[in-house]
Amino acid sequence: EADIYQTPRYLVIGTGKKITLECSQTMGHDKMYWYQQDPGMELHLIHYSYGVNSTEKGDLSSESTVSRIRTEHFPLTLESARPSHTSQYLCATTPQGARGYTFGSGTRLTVV
Amino acid sequence: AQSVAQPEDQVNVAEGNPLTVKCTYSVSGNPYLFWYVQYPNRGLQFLLKYITGDNLVKGSYGFEAEFNKSQTSFHLKKPSALVSDSALYFCAVRQSMDSSYKLIFGSGTRLLVRP
Repeated sequence: EADIYQTPRYLVIGTGKKITLECSQTMGHDKMYWYQQDPGMELHLIHYSYGVNSTEKGDLSSESTVSRIRTEHFPLTLESARPSHTSQYLCATTPQGARGYTFGSGTRLTVV
Repeated sequence: AQSVAQPEDQVNVAEGNPLTVKCTYSVSGNPYLFWYVQYPNRGLQFLLKYITGDNLVKGSYGFEAEFNKSQTSFHLKKPSALVSDSALYFCAVRQSMDSSYKLIFGSGTRLLVRP
């Protein structure tokens, strides 16, 4: 049973549209992350959060933005989608301590 | 800067044979090391981790990995491969003192186990 949920699973959208990818977790973890996985499979960190009202940019520059108003919710928004944004987006969370991440199932975004 | 290298894009092995997926890392200070597996159209699933202690760590589905500090490696192994092990495998590293807990991933290795 998943403790971290991403919606939608698949999204096809036209260029210029605004979209929000949802990520929610029920584990009460403070730390959350967004990774972009390109068609070549590599994972790149684009955003992370230490907790409520705390967000940071990751190692890969992204035109997306994030917010963290509630502990359980970490949505990612693209104001104007472009074909270059076509990718899989993975959300993850981890508790304090030396634990691994728990990943959501991902959102596969296609911008046409 | 932290980095992870997975030198093989793909590993092919026959069912029943042992498998190894290679990973080397670079990080300041002590590393926390992880292996994840990804099945098609899914997120990543945790397999195992090395934090401290015994260099040989055991994980899910019969996988194990050996931490070698001098060679900065953390290779994933399994004594007897199954067709169902075919998937994408990622090695990841985190700096133990990094309060962000950011994981840096390798480029992934596709494992193909043939019947």
